Amino acid sequence: DQQVKQNSPSLSVQEGRISILNCDYTNSMFDYFLWYKKYPAEGPTFLISISSIKDKNEDGRFTVFLNKSAKHLSLHIVPSQPGDSAVYFCAASAFRGGTASKLTFGTGTRLQVTL
Amino acid sequence: NAGVTQTPKFQVLKTGQSMTLQCAQDMNHNSMYWYRQDPGMGLRLIYYSASEGTTDKGEVPNGYNVSRLNKREFSLRLESAAPSQTSVYFCASRNHVGQPTDTQYFGPGTRLTVL
Repeated sequence: DQQVKQNSPSLSVQEGRISILNCDYTNSMFDYFLWYKKYPAEGPTFLISISSIKDKNEDGRFTVFLNKSAKHLSLHIVPSQPGDSAVYFCAASAFRGGTASKLTFGTGTRLQVTL
Repeated sequence: NAGVTQTPKFQVLKTGQSMTLQCAQDMNHNSMYWYRQDPGMGLRLIYYSASEGTTDKGEVPNGYNVSRLNKREFSLRLESAAPSQTSVYFCASRNHVGQPTDTQYFGPGTRLTVL
């Protein structure tokens, strides 16, 4: 049972345009969401996160939107740059207080930014 | 400050052989994690350690054992490797137990092939 879903395996966007990556989740206990970026032959690196008490978090060119009622979040990259070409993973956790948080990852979306 | 390091980077095993994947972090983090990444499956948690001296099963623990040797090191052992364990293995660490806003930092990965 895939609790975090990224239904688009790949996305191609022109340089300078907006990239929108989507993520859906099914577990209503999830209350913290993260996006990781992964280049080939490297480990994932943290990009941006959002708590369930917010509906938007912005960091430079990256903005994450959370729609709790729809159990949906999205990552917007504006403007897209060639260096943004990577695989993007959505991840979620259910905070239990006093225990190590465990992340549940989606299957990833490969973003290609073309010139 | 090397962050999270993993050895080896690549390994080829024959079915039935055993091996240990090593992970170390120099960020004084409390929690450490082992994931595997397979095509179309995202990252799946194998085992984690909330703190030195404790370990717990994740989503896919069968066929693996772990040891939290000290605060810095967390190893993953395959006692009798199977072709189904062919994967890329990532180690991660995280600072605070009980703080949902702390992110996980990943190592570069070990690419394992079991023939």
